[in-house]
Amino acid sequence: AQSVTQLDSHVSVSEGTPVLLRCNYSSSYSPSLFWYVQHPNKGLQLLLKYTSAATLVKGINGFEAEFKKSETSFHLTKPSAHMSDAAEYFCVRGAGSYQLTFGKGTKLSVIP
Amino acid sequence: GAGVSQSPRYKVAKRGQDVALRCDPISGHVSLFWYQQALGQGPEFLTYFQNEAQLDKSGLPSDRFFAERPEGSVSTLKIQRTQQEDSAVYLCASRGLGLAGHNEQFFGPGTRLTVL
Repeated sequence: AQSVTQLDSHVSVSEGTPVLLRCNYSSSYSPSLFWYVQHPNKGLQLLLKYTSAATLVKGINGFEAEFKKSETSFHLTKPSAHMSDAAEYFCVRGAGSYQLTFGKGTKLSVIP
Repeated sequence: GAGVSQSPRYKVAKRGQDVALRCDPISGHVSLFWYQQALGQGPEFLTYFQNEAQLDKSGLPSDRFFAERPEGSVSTLKIQRTQQEDSAVYLCASRGLGLAGHNEQFFGPGTRLTVL
């Protein structure tokens, strides 16, 4: 089955330092990949999506992700963490025209 | 504009009770999805509607789970004879028409169900 693996269940960074959240996907001809963020008591929000137009994808709030086919990776990065970035992040794979398969999530903590 | 809303936000049920969870999608959105998110896990697909038609219910865990969307807008997820393993956050998402390929699903805040 097509899936995604988030390599870290919890990442902790200091405010102002870079963020790296790692995601690997199972091999496929042309995957659709997404990153969603979930703040406590709020709905999941789309950060960015990859649909083969460009390997470096820019999203909201300064986040970006790079699709690397050779490594089957789609890691999420941000140059400088803010306190408001503390949340749960999900790497998600699209299948067919509507199915979404979520990773288990990475909880990001930002230390002041 | 208004996003996806869900009610109730929290529900506590005794084992064996029936519950009904409501989802109000974004107005005009054709597609509607239900997901189940267990504690510490990512959401898992339950079912998919296009307008009033339930096109995919492959993720429903048992025949105690039933979803409907009779007029193609509001949807209800019903769980009969609830069990403790049904405790989870139930998420609803909607999606509008768009070009071919994956279009963004907009998620509601979820209903947290606790079965005692």
